[in-house]
Amino acid sequence: KQEVTQIPAALSVPEGENLVLNCSFTDSAIYNLQWFRQDPGKGLTSLLLIQSSQREQTSGRLNASLDKSSGRSTLYIAASQPGDSATYLCALYTGGFKTIFGAGTRLFVKA
Amino acid sequence: DAGVIQSPRHEVTEMGQEVTLRCKPISGHNSLFWYRQTMMRGLELLIYFNNNVPIDDSGMPEDRFSAKMPNASFSTLKIQPSEPRDSAVYFCASSYGGNLETQYFGPGTRLLVL
Repeated sequence: KQEVTQIPAALSVPEGENLVLNCSFTDSAIYNLQWFRQDPGKGLTSLLLIQSSQREQTSGRLNASLDKSSGRSTLYIAASQPGDSATYLCALYTGGFKTIFGAGTRLFVKA
Repeated sequence: DAGVIQSPRHEVTEMGQEVTLRCKPISGHNSLFWYRQTMMRGLELLIYFNNNVPIDDSGMPEDRFSAKMPNASFSTLKIQPSEPRDSAVYFCASSYGGNLETQYFGPGTRLLVL
């Protein structure tokens, strides 16, 4: 059974800092991995989708990497801003009909 | 495009009442997902439709829950009768390509059952 873990559960950093969010998973046979952002009281917004054959994806200040052999993905946020404050979730699709979501990391960027 | 639209945004009801949640997916998307999010269990898939057909409903917690997708632009999730433990945020998401492509989430319906 695929398990997805995100550590830490919460993170507070000063504005301008570069930071890394972690996502680990137990089954390396994945089709894709997505990183989502969720603002309080809102739905999820997809940030990056990495297909199984890819190693990383970049969008603006965000870079997501995927290492299937070690069961890890990281989301790198450069030059963090207060507007980046949100909960970040990773989600894996390993076949069948379900995408499995992690519990998320709550990020707070202090001005 | 307006994105995925859900209604109502908030629902407060009493135990035993019927609750109907509505979703309009993004035009052209062929896959629709209903999720439930709680603090204790996180985000859970309830049911997945592909081309308006329910493909996987193994996440539907009980017979009190039912979902329909009569056409490509509309889906409902019904709870009858509702119970306090059904209180959660219910999200609808759609994609073009099932789980293989990006899922676009609606704003959610926050349900409170008293």
